[in-house]
Amino acid sequence: SQELEQSPQSLIVQEGKNLTINCTSSKTLYGLYWYKQKYGEGLIFLMMLQKGGEEKSHEKITAKLDEKKQQSSLHITASQPSHAGIYLCGADSGAGTALIFGKGTTLSVSS
Amino acid sequence: DTAVSQTPKYLVTQMGNDKSIKCEQNLGHDTMYWYKQDSKKFLKIMFSYNNKELIINETVPNRFSPKSPDKAHLNLHINSLELGDSAVYFCASSQAGQGYEKLFFGSGTQLSVL
Repeated sequence: SQELEQSPQSLIVQEGKNLTINCTSSKTLYGLYWYKQKYGEGLIFLMMLQKGGEEKSHEKITAKLDEKKQQSSLHITASQPSHAGIYLCGADSGAGTALIFGKGTTLSVSS
Repeated sequence: DTAVSQTPKYLVTQMGNDKSIKCEQNLGHDTMYWYKQDSKKFLKIMFSYNNKELIINETVPNRFSPKSPDKAHLNLHINSLELGDSAVYFCASSQAGQGYEKLFFGSGTQLSVL
């Protein structure tokens, strides 16, 4: 079965600093999804990547999928306290079943 | 209007009890899910229903029984609760064929078994 490894497990950065979160899949990704979870809330969809080499940006968050479609990164530029939360990558195994998730990266931003 | 709503938000109970968590979605989606998030924030799929039919049943103890009375509802019943069942349970819904960027989550039910 497909597994997703996220790194780092947790991250504390100073406000204004850049950071990167990585997600590595044990199998080729048919679709890679990034979600954010705030404490006590459900997951909110951020971005989805499907093609090798694809890159998407929204405000200060950029997600990339490598050419081999087995690794993705999420980069936040000039972090703010509002970026704090748990970031999870999810993968569509291609079987039309459900999303499976990595173990999440907890981000704290200190002001 | 909340798209995916779960009740209760918090559930504290004794070992051995039976409890239910309810989930309702008003998005007109045909697929609903239950996920379990453990204390290390690992989110794992438990069940998936499409048009009231079970399509995913991951390795979950028989004490967990999902019930879908209609497409808009997927309830989770847990018998003989154990300490290890303590977790946050998330309900989610999507429309088959529309991709998981349209996967909507409820805000979770924090279950504490004492």
